[in-house]
Amino acid sequence: EPEVTQTPSHQVTQMGQEVILRCVPISNHLYFYWYRQILGQKVEFLVSFYNNEISEKSEIFDDQFSVERPDGSNFTLKIRSTKLEDSAMYFCASSGLAGGSYEQYFGPGTRLTVT
Amino acid sequence: GENVGLHLPTLSVQEGDNSIINCAYSNSASDYFIWYKQESGKGPQFIIDIRSNMDKRQGQRVTVLLNKTVKHLSLQIAATQPGDSAVYFCAENMGYSTLTFGKGTMLLVSP
Repeated sequence: EPEVTQTPSHQVTQMGQEVILRCVPISNHLYFYWYRQILGQKVEFLVSFYNNEISEKSEIFDDQFSVERPDGSNFTLKIRSTKLEDSAMYFCASSGLAGGSYEQYFGPGTRLTVT
Repeated sequence: GENVGLHLPTLSVQEGDNSIINCAYSNSASDYFIWYKQESGKGPQFIIDIRSNMDKRQGQRVTVLLNKTVKHLSLQIAATQPGDSAVYFCAENMGYSTLTFGKGTMLLVSP
């Protein structure tokens, strides 16, 4: 069964450093998402991406965040200058065959620890 | 993902029992609802969905009920198994792509 993959599984970085979290969505999916989950809290939407541009973003997704689809398979989330409060699990998701589908398939997540 | 059990409501059942997990959603304009299961160290896994023009939908061993009057969603799991132990989240879709998740309920199934 096709699945969303994410790398790395765990990233430790120092405050102020840039990090790039990587995702390979399910091939032929058209919609891509990033969510985060701070320890003990609920999953929060960050951003959605379709047709090579951001379609929606939340208040969390400020100027420190950016997303990119550098090629036909990868979807990345960059945090330019990490803060302690960016420590969380980051989940990538994808959905939608041609014509669209709401069902979002999630990857296993990247645990980001900012020290 | 990791969820601290102390902060989540927990439902403990015996193997073979039926489980009911409840969720209150926030926006009466939401038109699509999903239940996700999250096992320790993994991402949310789709279980079942329902659109706002329905009040019940059944899957394999799972049933989702939607009560729009009181903005309430429930997930019923029949003949619960130890492998069903996980955190269960409801999510609502209020727009094109945004999913808003609830806090989650931890289901513990004892053999």
